[in-house]
Amino acid sequence: DTGVSQDPRHKITKRGQNVTFRCDPISEHNRLYWYRQTLGQGPEFLTYFQNEAQLEKSRLLSDRFSAERPKGSFSTLEIQRTEQGDSAMYLCASSLRVTTNEKLFFGSGTQLSVL
Amino acid sequence: AQTVTQSQPEMSVQEAETVTLSCTYDTSESDYYLFWYKQPPSRQMILVIRQEAYKQQNATENRFSVNFQKAAKSFSLKISDSQLGDAAMYFCAYRSATGTASKLTFGTGTRLQVTL
Repeated sequence: DTGVSQDPRHKITKRGQNVTFRCDPISEHNRLYWYRQTLGQGPEFLTYFQNEAQLEKSRLLSDRFSAERPKGSFSTLEIQRTEQGDSAMYLCASSLRVTTNEKLFFGSGTQLSVL
Repeated sequence: AQTVTQSQPEMSVQEAETVTLSCTYDTSESDYYLFWYKQPPSRQMILVIRQEAYKQQNATENRFSVNFQKAAKSFSLKISDSQLGDAAMYFCAYRSATGTASKLTFGTGTRLQVTL
């Protein structure tokens, strides 16, 4: 068990550029979540996958955001035409959904700064 | 919509002492889960303790225990015998029992400092 891995750890970009983040969940975990954490706030739910299916998206996830989880393994989160308001830490979490006692394992996040 | 409030932005405790972090929440649901997560400088959120709303007994995990007051919608975390490694941001979180996804609603966090 190597834990949830996120890449890159930090990303600095200019407004209007596209960025993509990657999350590698714990192997055999069938659920994968994306959360966003802005400065001074707790994380906010963005979206989640069960295997390769994206089952729910938050209203926070505008049309400029897209997430994928091909083959139910790693996931990518892409932000198009970044805005300064997108600056935040993007956290990924995975879990093995077997009962209602679902435990999330979080990665260390990708810190995005939009200049 | 559910809300979670942590009114203590920062707390400080001496090593080996006990500290209590406060959390209140607002919900119209009767069945839900409450959590405390720890976020050290490494940024990784780590589950500290979990409480099911239908259970009257307060959850405990080693030095960590909660005081769950359902009627008052209060969920405080007590850390006993504080250690330097307990220094971190602590987040209280709520999850509805409706639906299967772990869509957590977090508070704004309490930064805990542990001094010698």
